[in-house]
Amino acid sequence: GEDVEQSLFLSVREGDSSVINCTYTDSSSTYLYWYKQEPGAGLQLLTYIFSNMDMKQDQRLTVLLNKKDKHLSLRIADTQTGDSAIYFCAEGKAGNNRKLIWGLGTSLAVNP
Amino acid sequence: GAGVSQSPSNKVTEKGKDVELRCDPISGHTALYWYRQSLGQGLEFLIYFQGNSAPDKSGLPSDRFSAERTGGSVSTLTIQRTQQEDSAVYLCASSEGLVPYEQYFGPGTRLTVT
Repeated sequence: GEDVEQSLFLSVREGDSSVINCTYTDSSSTYLYWYKQEPGAGLQLLTYIFSNMDMKQDQRLTVLLNKKDKHLSLRIADTQTGDSAIYFCAEGKAGNNRKLIWGLGTSLAVNP
Repeated sequence: GAGVSQSPSNKVTEKGKDVELRCDPISGHTALYWYRQSLGQGLEFLIYFQGNSAPDKSGLPSDRFSAERTGGSVSTLTIQRTQQEDSAVYLCASSEGLVPYEQYFGPGTRLTVT
């Protein structure tokens, strides 16, 4: 069946790197996403990666995709207190039905 | 430009009453999604509209839940005979239907059933 799993909590010190992990089960997934939900704010797309890519880097963010293990990770370099939020992993497929399968979210706490 | 808006932002209702939640998507977005987010839970997909196609209702938890999208724009999610377990934040998102199919989320409606 379809399932996306994430660890629920992560705590890091300001300035350290954060690594948030996600596993998914559907090998036909075409796109994998990381969304961010800040306290009192709506969900926003943070970054995404196509399934034919292994890595994507965008400023402080690095996304790694291991298709063989169906493992996705988000690395945030030089984590700041403003990065404290819930991070959701989601998988999707091309085609008419673009319903995403969502993880439960990882709550990242950044300690000064 | 204007983002996705939802109303009301908060709704408190008594068990057994019907409620209507409204979503105004971003103009021109062809896809519209409804999700439910319960405390400490992830996003539960409810329903998906894409253009003029039949909606994907596979996530609606019971026949008390229904949604419509009029004129390919505004959508209303209706919950009949509300139950306490319906208490959650109901999120609406829209997408322009182009790669990478980014979903733009509204602020949500917090529903409390007493």
